[in-house]
Amino acid sequence: DTAVSQTPKYLVTQMGNDKSIKCEQNLGHDTMYWYKQDSKKFLKIMFSYNNKELIINETVPNRFSPKSPDKAHLNLHINSLELGDSAVYFCASSQGRSRNTEAFFGQGTRLTVV
Amino acid sequence: AQSVTQPDIHITVSEGASLELRCNYSYGATPYLFWYVQSPGQGLQLLLKYFSGDTLVQGIKGFEAEFKRSQSSFNLRKPSVHWSDAAEYFCAVDGGYQKVTFGTGTKLQVIP
Repeated sequence: DTAVSQTPKYLVTQMGNDKSIKCEQNLGHDTMYWYKQDSKKFLKIMFSYNNKELIINETVPNRFSPKSPDKAHLNLHINSLELGDSAVYFCASSQGRSRNTEAFFGQGTRLTVV
Repeated sequence: AQSVTQPDIHITVSEGASLELRCNYSYGATPYLFWYVQSPGQGLQLLLKYFSGDTLVQGIKGFEAEFKRSQSSFNLRKPSVHWSDAAEYFCAVDGGYQKVTFGTGTKLQVIP
């Protein structure tokens, strides 16, 4: 059983489209995250939710909107996709918000905008 | 602001040789430090973490890391590398509130 699962694994779409990436965790964690990994492998946090409440919202364009229907899900919706949005997006989860908490990552969604 | 530097973008070692991956951090208080590994097409997996106590930390897969406050370093080591260790390795620092900052990664290639 996959602990943190993301769908789809690959996503190719045209500029201007709207797309969603889904994330589900079956670990019973209360905190979930979205990270973006760019072409240079730089991994940067985008959002963090704790018990469905937005905790971290880094300087991400408002075209990106996370949605957390429950503690086990954190979906990422992206409007008006741009070429620069091409990246690998990782979902992660952890239990609690303490600094020594291990985050468990999904396998990533490779988004390619053409 | 916290930051992490991994000076080596790419490292090649022979199977059976020892390995050291460098990581330097910048953080005003006591850092919480992590090493993650990313295999091709996979997510990140935690190798080990440090937040207090013994400065030599043991992790999974035979890896260890040593925290040196005076050098602001948290280098990852393995005495004998296996071909399956070929992957990308990320050092990270947690500055609180889950604001984890990752380094840019070091790609490890293992040759027979």
